[in-house]
Amino acid sequence: EPEVTQTPSHQVTQMGQEVILRCVPISNHLYFYWYRQILGQKVEFLVSFYNNEISEKSEIFDDQFSVERPDGSNFTLKIRSTKLEDSAMYFCASTLTGFYEQYFGPGTRLTVT
Amino acid sequence: GNSVTQMEGPVTLSEEAFLTINCTYTATGYPSLFWYVQYPGEGLQLLLKATKADDKGSNKGFEATYRKETTSFHLEKGSVQVSDSAVYFCALSGNYQLIWGAGTKLIIKP
Repeated sequence: EPEVTQTPSHQVTQMGQEVILRCVPISNHLYFYWYRQILGQKVEFLVSFYNNEISEKSEIFDDQFSVERPDGSNFTLKIRSTKLEDSAMYFCASTLTGFYEQYFGPGTRLTVT
Repeated sequence: GNSVTQMEGPVTLSEEAFLTINCTYTATGYPSLFWYVQYPGEGLQLLLKATKADDKGSNKGFEATYRKETTSFHLEKGSVQVSDSAVYFCALSGNYQLIWGAGTKLIIKP
């Protein structure tokens, strides 16, 4: 069964450094998403992406964040200058259509020290 | 705006007990509704879904019915197992995103 994959599984970085989180969505899916979950808290939407542009973004997704689909398979989330409060689990998701179930990757745990 | 409210946890039950986790929502239009499960140390897995009023989603013995009149999507299981211990999230489809409840931690004791 096709699945969403994410790399790395765990990333440790120092405050102020740039990080890139990578995702490979399911191959025929058209909509891509990033969510985050601070430890023990609810899942928060960051951004959705369709047809090579952002469809929707939350207040969390400020100028420090960017997304890109550099080729036909990868979908990346970049945080330009990490802060301590960016420490969280980041989940990538994809779906074939915009309003049905999203399929999630296993997540990347980002730790900012 | 759209929102999802779940009962607070943790919910602690004995094995073979009946489970209900309450979920209510506020939404414009006719969203799809989902339950996702997160096992300890793992990612988010779709448990079940319902796309229109009166639909019943079911999977692995879990069920939830989309009730438009009460704006609810309660999760039920007739007989829980220790392996059902996890965090359960109710979610609805919004504008190019899923809108999530806070999650309910379920603990099943042998």
